[in-house]
Amino acid sequence: GAVVSQHPSWVICKSGTSVKIECRSLDFQATTMFWYRQFPKQSLMLMATSNEGSKATYEQGVEKDKFLINHASLTLSTLTVTSAHPEDSSFYICSARANVLTFGAGSRLTVL
Amino acid sequence: AQTVTQSQPEMSVQEAETVTLSCTYDTSESDYYLFWYKQPPSRQMILVIRQEAYKQQNATENRFSVNFQKAAKSFSLKISDSQLGDAAMYFCAYRSVFLQAGTALIFGKGTTLSVSS
Repeated sequence: GAVVSQHPSWVICKSGTSVKIECRSLDFQATTMFWYRQFPKQSLMLMATSNEGSKATYEQGVEKDKFLINHASLTLSTLTVTSAHPEDSSFYICSARANVLTFGAGSRLTVL
Repeated sequence: AQTVTQSQPEMSVQEAETVTLSCTYDTSESDYYLFWYKQPPSRQMILVIRQEAYKQQNATENRFSVNFQKAAKSFSLKISDSQLGDAAMYFCAYRSVFLQAGTALIFGKGTTLSVSS
């Protein structure tokens, strides 16, 4: 079946640094990928829709300059959290559509 | 805008028993998809079941079945013969079929299901 790989699964960084999270579709091409954010015991909130070869579409309230999304190929989308702060600590999940929407295993970001 | 509501933050069930998780949604669209996803402690999202709005027949997947009431905009999940491995957070989700509206899933707040032996 379709597999979406996310890397890293867990990252700890210092406040003020930038962190990049990769989302890859391993056995299918994805012109569109989605990035979600999930706080503990809460729902998944859509952050942005990543479109291959064009700009991402951000949801209302999501800072574009804070969460940089690049979808440079049909199998890779990256989310860069720039100048991370403790309030950015969260679980970030990407998804892509093969026949059905497939989710990555998520990336836990902890900002000290 | 579409919304998904799960009114039960937590539910519990005993092994081998049946439990029903509730979900309601709001939309002005006539065609759409509805889903139930399971998120175990590993936090990997797992598709449990999917329903297409234009199909009147309720979807079933082994021990999992839905009660889809389109007029009432209700989409409940029934888990029969509950197993310890069913313990997880369950999310109800909606997806538009129209690309112009985007194809991202809209999630409810989730229901945490605990299963006791």
